[in-house]
Amino acid sequence: GQNIDQPTEMTATEGAIVQINCTYQTSGFNGLFWYQQHAGEAPTFLSYNVLDGLEEKGRFSSFLSRSKGYSYLLLKELQMKDSASYLCAVSPPGTYKYIFGTGTRLKVLA
Amino acid sequence: GAGVSQTPSNKVTEKGKYVELRCDPISGHTALYWYRQSLGQGPEFLIYFQGTGAADDSGLPNDRFFAVRPEGSVSTLKIQRTERGDSAVYLCASSLTTRHTDTQYFGPGTRLTVL
Repeated sequence: GQNIDQPTEMTATEGAIVQINCTYQTSGFNGLFWYQQHAGEAPTFLSYNVLDGLEEKGRFSSFLSRSKGYSYLLLKELQMKDSASYLCAVSPPGTYKYIFGTGTRLKVLA
Repeated sequence: GAGVSQTPSNKVTEKGKYVELRCDPISGHTALYWYRQSLGQGPEFLIYFQGTGAADDSGLPNDRFFAVRPEGSVSTLKIQRTERGDSAVYLCASSLTTRHTDTQYFGPGTRLTVL
């Protein structure tokens, strides 16, 4: 099966950089995804990694190491609107569903 | 363009009742997914459709749960004899195809409360 671990909560200051880690245990996968979810709203797609390395998209970057079963989401120049839950998900081999972690609730303080 | 829509946004029912939750995917998306999310948890996979057929229903918790997508577009999740433990937000997502590079886009969800 798949086991995905993320920190439950993190706090950071406006303008700072924060790194949200995700570790997973799976025999293989088709991709790792990061979603942002504001309270009471739908998850929205942030990034997708399938190969090792860093994917950069504006203020957000995501890193993957398949050999270590590890990913992180890096958020730069934090803004108050970045306060949300950040969900890490993997797509197991042979299927198209996503297995989500419990999410990391990020609070950005002024 | 329009995103994934779900109706109703909220549903309150009594234990033992039957409920139907509807999902309208993004136009042209062939893959449709149902998840449910409990408070403080990530979404939990229930079932997904490729076209009209359920390609993977391994996440349905028991036979009280059933979903259909008769014309390959709108889908309905049906829950019989609801129990208090069914209370959650039911999320629907769609993707253009089932290629792994195709992003799943989520709807706003239906909050189901079973009293």
